[in-house]
Amino acid sequence: AQRVTQPEKLLSVFKGAPVELKCNYSYSGSPELFWYVQYSRQRLQLLLRHISRESIKGFTADLNKGETSFHLKKPFAQEEDSAMYYCAIKRAGSNYKLTFGKGTLLTVNP
Amino acid sequence: GAGVSQSPSNKVTEKGKDVELRCDPISGHTALYWYRQRLGQGLEFLIYFQGNSAPDKSGLPSDRFSAERTGESVSTLTIQRTQQEDSAVYLCASSPSGGLQETQYFGPGTRLLVL
Repeated sequence: AQRVTQPEKLLSVFKGAPVELKCNYSYSGSPELFWYVQYSRQRLQLLLRHISRESIKGFTADLNKGETSFHLKKPFAQEEDSAMYYCAIKRAGSNYKLTFGKGTLLTVNP
Repeated sequence: GAGVSQSPSNKVTEKGKDVELRCDPISGHTALYWYRQRLGQGLEFLIYFQGNSAPDKSGLPSDRFSAERTGESVSTLTIQRTQQEDSAVYLCASSPSGGLQETQYFGPGTRLLVL
């Protein structure tokens, strides 16, 4: 079965500093990977997905199949980036349900 | 347009009572998912509906849990004889057709507390 590991429960950085939220997955096939974000008092929403190779709100994530990682990065963190971030994986043949990591709470200090 | 809605937003119940949670997916979305998030944990998949296909119930933790969906609209998740370990946020999500690359859109969740 696939598994997603987010090793950091909490991550605290200062405004303007680079940030990297780690995500490792275990699945031997070709998964689809996603980052979801939940801001305070808001619903869970998609931040980005690897298939799109896009940058959203300055965040990027590169799939590294060799290291089975999908780390989320932003060069200059902003206070409004403070939120809970979840890495998630989907694979074909699983009815496309998402398997989530336990999440990382990012706090960006002024 | 309107997103996924869930009701109630909060529910407090006594151990042993039955509860029913409701989800209204985005109109036109044929795929509907239920997840559970216990405190400090990631989201756990519970059940998946896709059109008229048999639902994938592989994530339901016990036979006290059941879910129904009326056509391609409303879904209800029922928990019978609730236990304290059922306390969690129950999230519903929908997507256009359940495809691998599709985004799942989440509702605000129902926070269930079993006393």
